[in-house]
Amino acid sequence: TQLLEQSPQFLSIQEGENLTVYCNSSSVFSSLQWYRQEPGEGPVLLVTVVTGGEVKKLKRLTFQFGDARKDSSLHITAAQPGDTGLYLCAGPNSGGSNYKLTFGKGTLLTVNP
Amino acid sequence: NAGVTQTPKFRVLKTGQSMTLLCAQDMNHEYMYWYRQDPGMGLRLIHYSVGEGTTAKGEVPDGYNVSRLKKQNFLLGLESAAPSQTSVYFCASGEGYEQYFGPGTRLTVT
Repeated sequence: TQLLEQSPQFLSIQEGENLTVYCNSSSVFSSLQWYRQEPGEGPVLLVTVVTGGEVKKLKRLTFQFGDARKDSSLHITAAQPGDTGLYLCAGPNSGGSNYKLTFGKGTLLTVNP
Repeated sequence: NAGVTQTPKFRVLKTGQSMTLLCAQDMNHEYMYWYRQDPGMGLRLIHYSVGEGTTAKGEVPDGYNVSRLKKQNFLLGLESAAPSQTSVYFCASGEGYEQYFGPGTRLTVT
């Protein structure tokens, strides 16, 4: 069974601070995705990283896929209250059939004004 | 373009009652999924479908049934609700590994 471990589980910071959250596995993934889930809503896909070492930027969010494709990180610069939410990483199940995903348990981020 | 919609948004059931959750998508996706989300447990796959008329079991299928009679709809049924089924239920659809989620149904079983 492929597991995705996310850390930290909870993070509370002040507006304007930078932060990094992590997604780690002992298994190799062909790709990893990051989702953000706001309170009372469903997860929304932010980005998919596919190539080992890949870096993708989405405004103040920077996503990196590890060289060995076993881990990923999300860095937020100058966090804003609107960044508050649950950040989930997900990767394709091994066997590659039926497009099923394994999800991490998430990092709950609170950005205080 | 509404994306993925779910009805109802909230529901309270008594133990032993039955209900059906409806998911609809307007993106013509082949794949649809039902998840439950519980504190500390993350998102767990209940059932999924790879196309109209097909269904398959996910990680936690016991106590649930599904049907996909039309490509755009995926129904999740609870025949005899139990308190352990208190959860938030999400439907998703997709092509490939990118999934698009509905807003969720918060179900409480007393």
